[in-house]
Amino acid sequence: NAGVTQTPKFRILKIGQSMTLQCAQDMNHNYMYWYRQDPGMGLKLIYYSVGAGITDKGEVPNGYNVSRSTTEDFPLRLELAAPSQTSVYFCASRDGEAPDTQYFGPGTRLTVL
Amino acid sequence: AQKITQTQPGMFVQEKEAVTLDCTYDTSDPSYGLFWYKQPSSGEMIFLIYQGSYDQQNATEGRYSLNFQKARKSANLVISASQLGDSAMYFCAMRPTGGYQKVTFGTGTKLQVIP
Repeated sequence: NAGVTQTPKFRILKIGQSMTLQCAQDMNHNYMYWYRQDPGMGLKLIYYSVGAGITDKGEVPNGYNVSRSTTEDFPLRLELAAPSQTSVYFCASRDGEAPDTQYFGPGTRLTVL
Repeated sequence: AQKITQTQPGMFVQEKEAVTLDCTYDTSDPSYGLFWYKQPSSGEMIFLIYQGSYDQQNATEGRYSLNFQKARKSANLVISASQLGDSAMYFCAMRPTGGYQKVTFGTGTKLQVIP
């Protein structure tokens, strides 16, 4: 099992550009999450999904969009990148069963200049 | 609303000694889970230990144990016999049980193990 995979690992964007951060999991988990981690801070939830076709906003959704067409994939779309979106982005998944642990991908470090 | 407080921005511990990382939480949910994650300098988030709010015993995973005091709303992480590889950021987190329920993270504690 690869667990949760994310691509790319690093990316530099110019202001106003768009990109998609890819996330995939092979554990057949229903729940998937996107977080951002700003320097020296904990994680904040951007979007989440409880299953294919179902997504909803987290704490900090502005400037982002998601889709969940399959159980495995949960891409995060940045439209019109802004310097405030410079952060490390983590994708996570969990199956909802005890101990109900979230498994994280390795992260994508995004810089917007 | 949930809140996690980690009051120790940084900690030092001598190799082979035990260390306690503090975590207090606030929630109105009757059932919840508490988690600790390790984030080494490489950046990945590594799950360490989980404690359910109704679990009778404190959770243990190898050298990690969770000192859960429900009445005090604290969930401190104890690392025994510290190793140099334990140097990392440590995050406490919690989530109400059931459904999608989002995880709330603390701001983290940076642990440095001294040889």
